[in-house]
Amino acid sequence: EDQVTQSPEALRLQEGESSSLNCSYTVSGLRGLFWYRQDPGKGPEFLFTLYSAGEEKEKERLKATLTKKESFLHITAPKPEDSATYLCAVRSYGGSQGNLIFGKGTKLSVKP
Amino acid sequence: DAGVIQSPRHEVTEMGQEVTLRCKPISGHNSLFWYRQTMMRGLELLIYFNNNVPIDDSGMPEDRFSAKMPNASFSTLKIQPSEPRDSAVYFCASRQRESSEQYFGPGTRLTVT
Repeated sequence: EDQVTQSPEALRLQEGESSSLNCSYTVSGLRGLFWYRQDPGKGPEFLFTLYSAGEEKEKERLKATLTKKESFLHITAPKPEDSATYLCAVRSYGGSQGNLIFGKGTKLSVKP
Repeated sequence: DAGVIQSPRHEVTEMGQEVTLRCKPISGHNSLFWYRQTMMRGLELLIYFNNNVPIDDSGMPEDRFSAKMPNASFSTLKIQPSEPRDSAVYFCASRQRESSEQYFGPGTRLTVT
Protein backbone atom coordinates (compact mmCIF):
# COMPACT_ATOMS: atom_id res chain seq x y z
CA GLU A 1 0.00 0.00 0.00
CA ASP A 2 1.30 3.44 -0.93
CA GLN A 3 2.15 5.57 2.10
CA VAL A 4 3.47 9.05 2.80
CA THR A 5 4.81 10.14 6.19
CA GLN A 6 5.84 13.70 6.95
CA SER A 7 7.99 14.86 9.85
CA PRO A 8 8.02 16.73 12.05
CA GLU A 9 4.30 17.39 12.54
CA ALA A 10 5.10 20.93 13.65
CA LEU A 11 8.20 23.08 13.44
CA ARG A 12 8.88 26.43 15.04
CA LEU A 13 11.73 28.53 13.71
CA GLN A 14 13.10 31.95 14.33
CA GLU A 15 13.28 34.23 11.33
CA GLY A 16 16.50 33.43 9.46
CA GLU A 17 16.90 29.97 11.05
CA SER A 18 17.23 27.49 8.18
CA SER A 19 15.79 23.96 8.47
CA SER A 20 14.36 21.03 6.52
CA LEU A 21 11.04 19.22 6.34
CA ASN A 22 10.99 15.50 5.60
CA CYS A 23 8.63 13.41 3.45
CA SER A 24 9.18 9.64 3.49
CA TYR A 25 7.28 7.55 1.01
CA THR A 26 6.58 3.94 0.11
CA VAL A 27 5.12 3.44 -3.34
CA SER A 28 4.94 0.78 -6.01
CA GLY A 29 6.81 2.86 -8.57
CA LEU A 30 7.00 6.63 -8.21
CA ARG A 31 5.33 8.67 -10.95
CA GLY A 32 5.86 11.98 -9.19
CA LEU A 33 6.27 13.64 -5.81
CA PHE A 34 4.49 16.91 -5.19
CA TRP A 35 4.94 19.64 -2.58
CA TYR A 36 2.08 21.97 -1.70
CA ARG A 37 1.74 24.87 0.71
CA GLN A 38 -1.53 25.40 2.57
CA ASP A 39 -2.44 28.57 4.43
CA PRO A 40 -5.24 28.52 7.04
CA GLY A 41 -8.67 28.61 5.43
CA LYS A 42 -7.30 28.11 1.92
CA GLY A 43 -6.73 25.30 -0.52
CA PRO A 44 -3.30 23.74 -1.09
CA GLU A 45 -1.08 25.77 -3.40
CA PHE A 46 1.25 23.90 -5.73
CA LEU A 47 4.99 24.40 -5.18
CA PHE A 48 7.05 21.67 -6.88
CA THR A 49 6.96 18.37 -8.73
CA LEU A 50 9.92 15.96 -8.58
CA TYR A 51 10.10 12.85 -10.74
CA SER A 52 13.38 11.07 -10.17
CA ALA A 53 16.02 10.55 -7.49
CA GLY A 54 18.62 13.28 -7.51
CA GLU A 55 16.27 15.90 -8.90
CA GLU A 56 16.17 19.31 -7.18
CA LYS A 57 13.92 22.34 -7.64
CA GLU A 58 14.11 25.81 -6.11
CA LYS A 59 11.73 28.68 -5.58
CA GLU A 60 12.81 31.70 -3.57
CA ARG A 61 13.80 30.39 -0.11
CA LEU A 62 12.56 26.85 -0.78
CA LYS A 63 14.46 23.94 -2.30
CA ALA A 64 13.01 20.48 -2.77
CA THR A 65 15.16 17.38 -3.19
CA LEU A 66 14.33 13.74 -3.89
CA THR A 67 15.90 10.37 -3.13
CA LYS A 68 14.50 6.89 -3.70
CA LYS A 69 12.86 6.86 -0.27
CA GLU A 70 12.28 10.46 0.77
CA SER A 71 12.08 14.09 -0.17
CA PHE A 72 13.26 17.13 1.73
CA LEU A 73 11.95 20.66 1.60
CA HIS A 74 14.80 22.92 2.64
CA ILE A 75 13.90 26.39 3.87
CA THR A 76 16.76 28.86 3.85
CA ALA A 77 16.58 31.99 6.04
CA PRO A 78 12.81 31.74 6.48
CA LYS A 79 10.57 34.75 6.97
CA PRO A 80 7.29 34.96 8.92
CA GLU A 81 5.36 34.84 5.63
CA ASP A 82 6.70 31.31 5.09
CA SER A 83 4.49 30.15 7.97
CA ALA A 84 2.04 27.58 6.62
CA THR A 85 1.37 23.86 6.48
CA TYR A 86 3.50 22.09 3.88
CA LEU A 87 1.99 18.99 2.30
CA CYS A 88 3.78 16.25 0.42
CA ALA A 89 1.96 13.94 -2.00
CA VAL A 90 2.95 11.07 -4.28
CA ARG A 91 1.50 9.53 -7.39
CA SER A 92 2.46 5.93 -8.07
CA TYR A 93 2.24 3.53 -10.96
CA GLY A 94 0.41 1.15 -8.63
CA GLY A 95 -2.35 3.57 -7.75
CA SER A 96 -5.27 4.73 -9.83
CA GLN A 97 -4.40 7.00 -12.69
CA GLY A 98 -4.92 10.31 -11.02
CA ASN A 99 -4.69 9.55 -7.37
CA LEU A 100 -2.39 11.58 -5.15
CA ILE A 101 -1.61 10.15 -1.71
CA PHE A 102 -1.05 13.00 0.72
CA GLY A 103 0.90 13.10 3.95
CA LYS A 104 -0.58 14.77 7.03
CA GLY A 105 1.66 17.80 6.57
CA THR A 106 4.19 19.80 8.58
CA LYS A 107 2.94 22.97 10.21
CA LEU A 108 5.71 25.57 10.04
CA SER A 109 5.71 28.67 12.24
CA VAL A 110 8.36 31.32 11.71
CA LYS A 111 8.65 33.92 14.45
CA PRO A 112 10.13 37.38 13.81
CA ASP B 1 -7.70 32.85 -14.84
CA ALA B 2 -9.93 32.86 -11.75
CA GLY B 3 -8.69 29.48 -10.60
CA VAL B 4 -10.92 26.70 -9.31
CA ILE B 5 -14.16 28.12 -7.95
CA GLN B 6 -16.15 26.44 -5.19
CA SER B 7 -19.46 27.31 -3.60
CA PRO B 8 -20.62 27.75 -0.98
CA ARG B 9 -17.53 28.57 1.07
CA HIS B 10 -19.29 27.65 4.29
CA GLU B 11 -22.30 25.40 4.86
CA VAL B 12 -24.00 24.67 8.15
CA THR B 13 -26.82 22.15 8.08
CA GLU B 14 -28.71 19.80 10.32
CA MET B 15 -28.29 16.05 10.33
CA GLY B 16 -30.47 14.40 7.73
CA GLN B 17 -30.51 17.33 5.33
CA GLU B 18 -29.23 17.18 1.76
CA VAL B 19 -26.05 19.11 1.01
CA THR B 20 -24.79 20.04 -2.46
CA LEU B 21 -21.31 21.38 -3.03
CA ARG B 22 -20.37 22.96 -6.34
CA CYS B 23 -17.17 23.32 -8.30
CA LYS B 24 -16.07 25.08 -11.46
CA PRO B 25 -12.65 23.83 -12.66
CA ILE B 26 -10.05 25.89 -14.47
CA SER B 27 -10.98 26.30 -18.11
CA GLY B 28 -9.13 23.82 -20.32
CA HIS B 29 -8.46 21.33 -17.53
CA ASN B 30 -9.75 17.86 -18.32
CA SER B 31 -9.56 16.20 -14.91
CA LEU B 32 -11.47 17.13 -11.76
CA PHE B 33 -10.96 15.82 -8.24
CA TRP B 34 -13.02 15.98 -5.03
CA TYR B 35 -11.12 15.73 -1.73
CA ARG B 36 -12.09 15.81 1.94
CA GLN B 37 -9.77 17.19 4.62
CA THR B 38 -10.05 16.48 8.35
CA MET B 39 -7.58 16.81 11.20
CA MET B 40 -7.63 13.09 11.84
CA ARG B 41 -7.30 11.75 8.32
CA GLY B 42 -5.72 14.63 6.41
CA LEU B 43 -6.53 15.10 2.74
CA GLU B 44 -8.34 12.16 1.12
CA LEU B 45 -9.44 11.70 -2.47
CA LEU B 46 -13.16 10.97 -2.79
CA ILE B 47 -13.61 10.75 -6.56
CA TYR B 48 -12.09 11.99 -9.76
CA PHE B 49 -13.33 12.60 -13.28
CA ASN B 50 -11.46 12.55 -16.56
CA ASN B 51 -13.18 14.29 -19.48
CA ASN B 52 -16.39 14.41 -17.38
CA VAL B 53 -16.38 10.63 -16.80
CA PRO B 54 -15.94 9.24 -13.26
CA ILE B 55 -12.72 7.20 -13.22
CA ASP B 56 -12.20 6.28 -9.58
CA ASP B 57 -14.84 6.63 -6.88
CA SER B 58 -13.27 4.19 -4.44
CA GLY B 59 -12.79 6.99 -1.91
CA MET B 60 -16.49 7.82 -1.66
CA PRO B 61 -17.38 6.86 1.91
CA GLU B 62 -20.77 5.33 1.27
CA ASP B 63 -23.92 5.56 -0.81
CA ARG B 64 -24.92 8.80 0.87
CA PHE B 65 -22.27 10.49 -1.25
CA SER B 66 -22.67 11.07 -4.98
CA ALA B 67 -20.86 13.22 -7.53
CA LYS B 68 -21.70 14.37 -11.02
CA MET B 69 -19.96 16.25 -13.78
CA PRO B 70 -22.56 17.13 -16.42
CA ASN B 71 -20.11 19.21 -18.46
CA ALA B 72 -16.48 20.31 -18.53
CA SER B 73 -17.10 23.41 -16.45
CA PHE B 74 -19.23 22.17 -13.57
CA SER B 75 -19.32 19.43 -10.96
CA THR B 76 -21.36 18.72 -7.85
CA LEU B 77 -20.80 16.62 -4.75
CA LYS B 78 -24.00 15.70 -2.95
CA ILE B 79 -24.48 14.22 0.51
CA GLN B 80 -27.91 12.85 1.30
CA PRO B 81 -28.68 12.45 4.14
CA SER B 82 -25.88 14.31 5.89
CA GLU B 83 -24.43 13.18 9.22
CA PRO B 84 -22.27 14.96 11.83
CA ARG B 85 -19.26 12.82 10.85
CA ASP B 86 -19.40 14.37 7.38
CA SER B 87 -18.21 17.66 8.88
CA ALA B 88 -14.96 18.54 7.11
CA VAL B 89 -13.48 20.83 4.48
CA TYR B 90 -14.23 19.64 0.96
CA PHE B 91 -11.84 20.65 -1.81
CA CYS B 92 -12.20 20.49 -5.54
CA ALA B 93 -9.09 20.40 -7.73
CA SER B 94 -8.48 20.33 -11.45
CA ARG B 95 -5.64 19.25 -13.69
CA GLN B 96 -4.80 20.07 -17.28
CA ARG B 97 -3.36 16.70 -18.28
CA GLU B 98 -2.24 13.49 -16.63
CA SER B 99 1.37 14.52 -16.12
CA SER B 100 0.62 17.91 -14.62
CA GLU B 101 -0.06 19.15 -11.11
CA GLN B 102 -3.47 19.65 -9.54
CA TYR B 103 -4.79 23.10 -8.68
CA PHE B 104 -7.08 23.36 -5.68
CA GLY B 105 -10.06 25.55 -4.98
CA PRO B 106 -10.57 27.43 -1.71
CA GLY B 107 -12.71 24.67 -0.24
CA THR B 108 -16.15 24.40 1.36
CA ARG B 109 -16.25 24.09 5.13
CA LEU B 110 -19.19 21.83 5.97
CA THR B 111 -20.62 21.62 9.47
CA VAL B 112 -23.40 19.12 10.15
CA THR B 113 -25.08 19.54 13.53
